Amino acid sequence: RKEVEQDPGPFNVPEGATVAFNCTYSNSASQSFFWYRQDCRKEPKLLMSVYSSGNEDGRFTAQLNRASQYISLLIRDSKLSDSATYLCVVNENSGYSTLTFGKGTMLLVSP
Amino acid sequence: DGGITQSPKYLFRKEGQNVTLSCEQNLNHDAMYWYRQDPGQGLRLIYYSQIVNDFQKGDIAEGYSVSREKKESFPLTVTSAQKNPTAFYLCASQFRQGGNQPQHFGDGTRLSIL
Repeated sequence: RKEVEQDPGPFNVPEGATVAFNCTYSNSASQSFFWYRQDCRKEPKLLMSVYSSGNEDGRFTAQLNRASQYISLLIRDSKLSDSATYLCVVNENSGYSTLTFGKGTMLLVSP
Repeated sequence: DGGITQSPKYLFRKEGQNVTLSCEQNLNHDAMYWYRQDPGQGLRLIYYSQIVNDFQKGDIAEGYSVSREKKESFPLTVTSAQKNPTAFYLCASQFRQGGNQPQHFGDGTRLSIL
């Protein structure tokens, strides 16, 4: 059974802290990877795709380790507005693009 | 503005009643998806459609039905056979299958039993 596992959290951090989220996936044939952000009682929104070489978007850095089947998201200089649940999402890409979602890690940034 | 519109935002179902959730997109996306999210759980796939007049069951299709008569529209019917329908329902679309394409979500419908 295909699975995406995340630390459930919550992660409680002060403003300005650096926080890292980890995610593992079970299907070694998985082709593409994403981090989504979901605010309370809202829909998930794409935060960033994760590329094999790693990629950065401002304060956010995503890494992929295919050998270990491991994905990470690093948030630097946390803001209050970063408080949300972060979803690790994997595309099996086996002929159609259904996604497998992790349950998410909640982040709470405090003043 | 381009996007995915779900309606209604809140819906209440009586015992034995079928209800239909609307999902419309003007992004010219080929693929559309329905997910269900329960508290503290990840999203689970109900149905998906890659092209008009074609759709496939996801992991939890029992008690649900869909249609895809137009590219823009992918309504979901929650039938009376679905005994635990209370959940947050999310519709998503994707430009095309395969490759590194993310899915984009509507703002969801919250369904409860009266």
